[in-house]
Amino acid sequence: DAGVIQSPRHEVTEMGQEVTLRCKPISGHDYLFWYRQTMMRGLELLIYFNNNVPIDDSGMPEDRFSAKMPNASFSTLKIQPSEPRDSAVYFCASSWGRFGNEQFFGPGTRLTVL
Amino acid sequence: KNQVEQSPQSLIILEGKNCTLQCNYTVSPFSNLRWYKQDTGRGPVSLTIMTFSENTKSNGRYTATLDADTKQSSLHITASQLSDSASYICVVSGGGNLFFGTGTRLTVIP
Repeated sequence: DAGVIQSPRHEVTEMGQEVTLRCKPISGHDYLFWYRQTMMRGLELLIYFNNNVPIDDSGMPEDRFSAKMPNASFSTLKIQPSEPRDSAVYFCASSWGRFGNEQFFGPGTRLTVL
Repeated sequence: KNQVEQSPQSLIILEGKNCTLQCNYTVSPFSNLRWYKQDTGRGPVSLTIMTFSENTKSNGRYTATLDADTKQSSLHITASQLSDSASYICVVSGGGNLFFGTGTRLTVIP
């Protein structure tokens, strides 16, 4: 397996634009997680899915953020409209089981909102 | 309040030397504690996971300890190598939630 795949690796956009980040989890994993990482706040869990169903989205900062998982092999994190304070590295991770088993992280998407 | 605090924030050591990173937590109830290594520009990679009943766990030159009574964990790196330069993040799971430390940035110099 190629591991968790994220695209794009880098995204630069202007304030107010819509941004969509994509993730392909490891085949067979039943949990998918979206994280945000900044220098100030470190890693933050935004939302996670179990078998494509959103379980906990309490970490999503605002209504501007939304995530979907239409099938077991694909998930998106959308920000609309984007703001400069959304600039961060966004990671997707997947695992077999929730928090007890190892999560495998993707390489991340570095988002810069001008 | 559930918190995870790591120290030091950053550390510079000479190649070949040992070092210890600290993680103190107030998370309750406690399920497990995991140490991650994150190389620059990459996602975190799990080094060890420890449950309540485990005191020590090793992964090569990395040894993690856990004292569940004092709610402290340490990550000891033996005979450091240049490739150990990375951020090390402590993550505690409990009560159906994950709590993250802000990490220790380790730099190993020749």
